[in-house]
Amino acid sequence: QQQVKQSPQSLIVQKGGIPIINCAYENTAFDYFPWYQQFPGKGPALLIAIRPDVSEKKEGRFTISFNKSAKQFSLHIMDSQPGDSATYFCADMDSNYQLIWGAGTKLIIKP
Amino acid sequence: SAVISQKPSRDICQRGTSLTIQCQVDSQVTMMFWYRQQPGQSLTLIATANQGSEATYESGFVIDKFPISRPNLTFSTLTVSNMSPEDSSIYLCSVNRGGERDEQYFGPGTRLTVT
Repeated sequence: QQQVKQSPQSLIVQKGGIPIINCAYENTAFDYFPWYQQFPGKGPALLIAIRPDVSEKKEGRFTISFNKSAKQFSLHIMDSQPGDSATYFCADMDSNYQLIWGAGTKLIIKP
Repeated sequence: SAVISQKPSRDICQRGTSLTIQCQVDSQVTMMFWYRQQPGQSLTLIATANQGSEATYESGFVIDKFPISRPNLTFSTLTVSNMSPEDSSIYLCSVNRGGERDEQYFGPGTRLTVT
């Protein structure tokens, strides 16, 4: 069964710092790796996703780096702000279009 | 993206009763999914609901406990039957946007507490 291993479980960063969240996958059906951001009391929101025809994707302050040979991908948040404090999930997708979720990273950005 | 609403947003129910959660999407979608999420935990897929076919349940979830309807391409319901305190959780529906089957969007969730 496909698995996605996400680390760290929690992360505290000063405002302006660059938190990095890492994920490792075993197998992938579609080479599609999304990141979701979830605030307390809300559903997960699609933040950014990468298809590994590229090794990096940027959207605003959020960047995904992808290493296909290592089967790893990571999320970087540039110039982090207290409003970025949330739980972040990485995911893989299986052949039935079902998301395989990482365990989540609770990120706190201190002012 | 898709705009998804869920009703109710939260409820407190007594043991032994049932609750039906509704999920409405602003556009037609092929695939809808129902998840359960314990506070502070990752998401667990309950079932996949495609219009015109029976829902497909994941290991550990059965139709008698979580019956699902999918009457059209914009609506689905999940019923949590014969509830116990262990069913207290957040229930989320998600959809694949038509035309790009790999992008999934989530509703706001239904917070269920069973006493």
